[in-house]
Amino acid sequence: QVQLKESGPGLMQPSETLSLTCTVSGFSLTSNGVGWVRQPLGKGLVWMGTIWAGGSTNYNSAVQSRLSISWDTSKSQVFLKMNSLQPEDTGTYYCARHGNYGDWFAYWGQGTLVTVSS
Amino acid sequence: DVVLTQTPVVQPVTLGDQASISCRSSQSLVHSNGNTYLEWYLQKPGQSPQLLIYKVSNRFSGVPDRFIGSGSGSDFTLKISRVEPEDLGVYYCFQGTHDPLTFGSGTKLEIK
Repeated sequence: QVQLKESGPGLMQPSETLSLTCTVSGFSLTSNGVGWVRQPLGKGLVWMGTIWAGGSTNYNSAVQSRLSISWDTSKSQVFLKMNSLQPEDTGTYYCARHGNYGDWFAYWGQGTLVTVSS
Repeated sequence: DVVLTQTPVVQPVTLGDQASISCRSSQSLVHSNGNTYLEWYLQKPGQSPQLLIYKVSNRFSGVPDRFIGSGSGSDFTLKISRVEPEDLGVYYCFQGTHDPLTFGSGTKLEIK
């Protein structure tokens, strides 16, 4: 059974660095890519970046200078780090697994809410 | 960036009737490999998005055949026949052809 679960600090201050972890089970990170998607409160979905099954990454150019995605395959964890946080980074952060048939986000975590406020 | 324009923004529907959502792209979503990476997601209230349709018309595992995706190039449609209460929520189209990947702004399906 494929599962993903995000975890993180919840409340951050402006200019801090956000660190989120996506812990997965039911599949191997070396078989399927994982992406991060952000949803500002009450708004739509924004793709942030992806780490592919081979370990390479792609980032949305809108956040590329601040974002880093990595993994620890032995722990089945994917990490998101984003620096220079601003209040507009507030929202729910989801990790989602790529499918096997050209489907991008076949399985999603429950999401973790990050609030950036002083 | 590819802009996906969804219409309508709100779709009032009577349970049991058909609903239709349009998604138009600012450029063709045909990939150089010949595939068209246009997907549809449903986000129910308080839940994570869930994949309904991938590559224009393929239903994801467990998705009822009441959901039908169609279209080509830059013009796509999701039809939901015999709408049921569990179909209510916000529908997003998504393109995975061009970098950066982008979502439409959403269509809220609500009871009339």
